Amino acid sequence: QQPVQSPQAVILREGEDAVINCSSSKALYSVHWYRQKHGEAPVFLMILLKGGEQKGHEKISASFNEKKQQSSLYLTASQLSYSGTYFCGTESGSARQLTFGSGTQLTVLP
Amino acid sequence: EAQVTQNPRYLITVTGKKLTVTCSQNMNHEYMSWYRQDPGLGLRQIYYSMNVEVTDKGDVPEGYKVSRKEKRNFPLILESPSPNQTSLYFCASRDSLGEQYFGPGTRLTVT
Repeated sequence: QQPVQSPQAVILREGEDAVINCSSSKALYSVHWYRQKHGEAPVFLMILLKGGEQKGHEKISASFNEKKQQSSLYLTASQLSYSGTYFCGTESGSARQLTFGSGTQLTVLP
Repeated sequence: EAQVTQNPRYLITVTGKKLTVTCSQNMNHEYMSWYRQDPGLGLRQIYYSMNVEVTDKGDVPEGYKVSRKEKRNFPLILESPSPNQTSLYFCASRDSLGEQYFGPGTRLTVT
């Protein structure tokens, strides 16, 4: 079952912040975040493992609440280059099957 | 240069004509997988392989076959393609820390 991402789309001005949420009905082992620009392959942002650890990558960070089976991706002081579709992927149990959400389209305007 | 390559990049074929999409990685990764991407549905995993001779079904394996005879190669086989398999396909390999590297994609059209 696919994790649920929200919002489906968001439009920002340069410098504004955004939060993208990802939730699952399954007990999660890990959450992965990727960004895909139009016409390109997805690019890895970060992985969060069970344990509630928050990770950072430049001005993009994420948290993982394993009790709620939720993860959030935080984009601060958005830049034009942040535009794209963001996907969360989840792994549960001992299987290494990665299931992605349907994506959140982020548009950053000047 | 570390990369995942796929061939062909574009393919138009007819229903029922067997085809193979090749995938190769030069990073010595054990884990490889195939995804299809359709508008509004995101990336859906077709098959994955955690090592040579080990393959497992993903979320949408029907109509597809894979093999993993060598670590670097993971071809996707469509024995009898149908129009509902028209999609954008990505191959990916994953390192031991979980970072996944995607190939450039193969756009398949089945008429």
